[in-house]
Order: sequence, then structure tokens, then C-alpha cells
Amino acid sequence: GAVVSQHPSWVICKSGTSVKIECRSLDFQATTMFWYRQFPKQSLMLMATSNEGSKATYEQGVEKDKFLINHASLTLSTLTVTSAHPEDSSFYICSAMLAADEQYFGPGTRLTVT
Amino acid sequence: GENVEQHPSTLSVQEGDSAVIKCTYSDSASNYFPWYKQELGKRPQLIIDIRSNVGEKKDQRIAVTLNKTAKHFSLHITETQPEDSAVYFCDLSGSRLTFGEGTQLTVNP
Repeated sequence: GAVVSQHPSWVICKSGTSVKIECRSLDFQATTMFWYRQFPKQSLMLMATSNEGSKATYEQGVEKDKFLINHASLTLSTLTVTSAHPEDSSFYICSAMLAADEQYFGPGTRLTVT
Repeated sequence: GENVEQHPSTLSVQEGDSAVIKCTYSDSASNYFPWYKQELGKRPQLIIDIRSNVGEKKDQRIAVTLNKTAKHFSLHITETQPEDSAVYFCDLSGSRLTFGEGTQLTVNP
């Protein structure tokens, strides 16, 4: 149990375009999901907390208009990187909360912006 | 806000030796302390966790100890094997999730 999927696993896009990443909890419902960004050889940086049915809570320094988050159902949260630039290239990982504190991670999406 | 420091950043041991990674935190409201293992290019995987009402938890070769007074918790891996080589992260779950900077563990055969 407690499986989280992400799609796509990798994506290459051109500068200026938008990319949508999906995060799904496959065998449980998650009212809260998290989006992280990870640079090579660095820790996970929390970008935002996605709450089902309400607006996401963004961490300081994360542009909410650039990183659009939608959590329309108890099993799906999406992250859209709008007007992507090469500096947005990174490994994006989502996680979903199963219990009060237990989170399970998706496999990640590697975004490359050319 | 919450802050967590993880040490060491890199750790190299010989197969069969023990490895210890420590995280120190400042938020006294935290009550859940998980450890994750992340292999290159893969997702972090929960390997062990502990809650604030216990001081130690063990699962085969892996153990976690918690000292709430001193505000630190540690991951202990005994009889290390090459497949233990990965990056390990501590996490601090209070009002906000805060990951440590990670420890690159290398187990040399």
C-alpha cells in the first residue's frame, strides 16, 4: 500500500512553454500533498503544500504564479510550471500524506528546459 | 522557524562497519522523526521513523534514537553492506516539513 505515482517521469520542453506534472495517490486518499524540488546532490526543497479543495500554500521565495498547483481530488495534485526557463530545470518530487505525519513520495519528474 | 542540521554530509565506511548519522533540530513541537534513503535518481524511501514518546526503535540492522532533551535524533546502521550506499535524509515533522541536507553514505566492499 501507500503508492504514489508521478507523470511524466521526465520531460524536455522549450523555454517559454508550460509543463504539467501529475501526482497521484494510487491506493489511498490524500487531503494533503507536497511538491518538492531537488537539485543534484542537494536536499529536497519544499515548494508548496497542496490541500484538496483549497488553495496551495507556497513556501517563501516560490512564485505561485509560476508554479501553479491544483488539488482537485483526493488522489490527484498537479504542478504546472508556466513559462519555463532553463533555470527551472530540476527534479520535481511530490509526496502524499497517508497519516498524520507519514508521507510517501512519488518517483519524481526530471524537467529539462532547453 | 524550524531548522534541522544533519551531520556528516559524507560518510565512507568499510563493509561490515557501523554508520551513524545525526540530526539536530530546534523546534520543540516536533513529534515525528523519520529517516529516508534515496538512491540516485529515485524517490526517497522511508526506512525508519520514531515518535516522541519513545527513545529508540530498531528494525533489523537499522535503528533510530531520539533525545528530545538535547533535540537530536540519530540513524544507526550496523553491519553495513554495499547496497546501503545512498543519500540519507532526516525529516522534521512539526508544523512544517523540514529535511536535513542529506548524508552521502558510501559502503566500500
